[in-house]
Amino acid sequence: GENVEQHPSTLSVQEGDSAVIKCTYSDSASNYFPWYKQELGKRPQLIIDIRSNVGEKKDQRIAVTLNKTAKHFSLHITETQPEDSAVYFCAAKAPGNAGNMLTFGGGTRLMVKP
Amino acid sequence: DAGITQSPRHKVTETGTPVTLRCHQTENHRYMYWYRQDPGHGLRLIHYSYGVKDTDKGEVSDGYSVSRSKTEDFLLTLESATSSQTSVYFCAISDPGGASEQFFGPGTRLTVL
Repeated sequence: GENVEQHPSTLSVQEGDSAVIKCTYSDSASNYFPWYKQELGKRPQLIIDIRSNVGEKKDQRIAVTLNKTAKHFSLHITETQPEDSAVYFCAAKAPGNAGNMLTFGGGTRLMVKP
Repeated sequence: DAGITQSPRHKVTETGTPVTLRCHQTENHRYMYWYRQDPGHGLRLIHYSYGVKDTDKGEVSDGYSVSRSKTEDFLLTLESATSSQTSVYFCAISDPGGASEQFFGPGTRLTVL
């Protein structure tokens, strides 16, 4: 089955700096790659996603890039703010599974220092 | 937040006792999932359902069973709870089609003593 690796597991940046989180996946047929943000004690919430027919997608200060050849995708957060502090999860979905199943990476704890 | 609730939100139980967690949705989404979240392991799929009475195992299904007798409810049962099942459990829902997005419930914190 699909395997997703996520790095780094923790990331500390200064407010205003950029943060990059990287994920690799194993199934070359995977076609959907969402990113979730989970604040302390809260549920994971989708912040951005990308499909395999697109190389990059932006939404204000966040962007995701996908390299299908290398089987990796990355989350980029620019001009980080303290409210960006959270755990971020990447995921991948292989086509053809019966229930839209996602395989998640292990998570990255991002800390933005004021 | 999507219309997903989980009950109970917190539970402390003893080893060997049965435990049932409930996920209820008002979105009429076809797919439902149970995940557990543990430090360093992200979200791991326990079981999922792709329709009423249609369920299948996920990555970490040992020790868990599920049932879905109607669209809106998905039950997760620990027949005989063990300390290794202490975790935060999240339910999620999704609909077939292009979107693929999963919406998560608020979570249930389970402690097995």
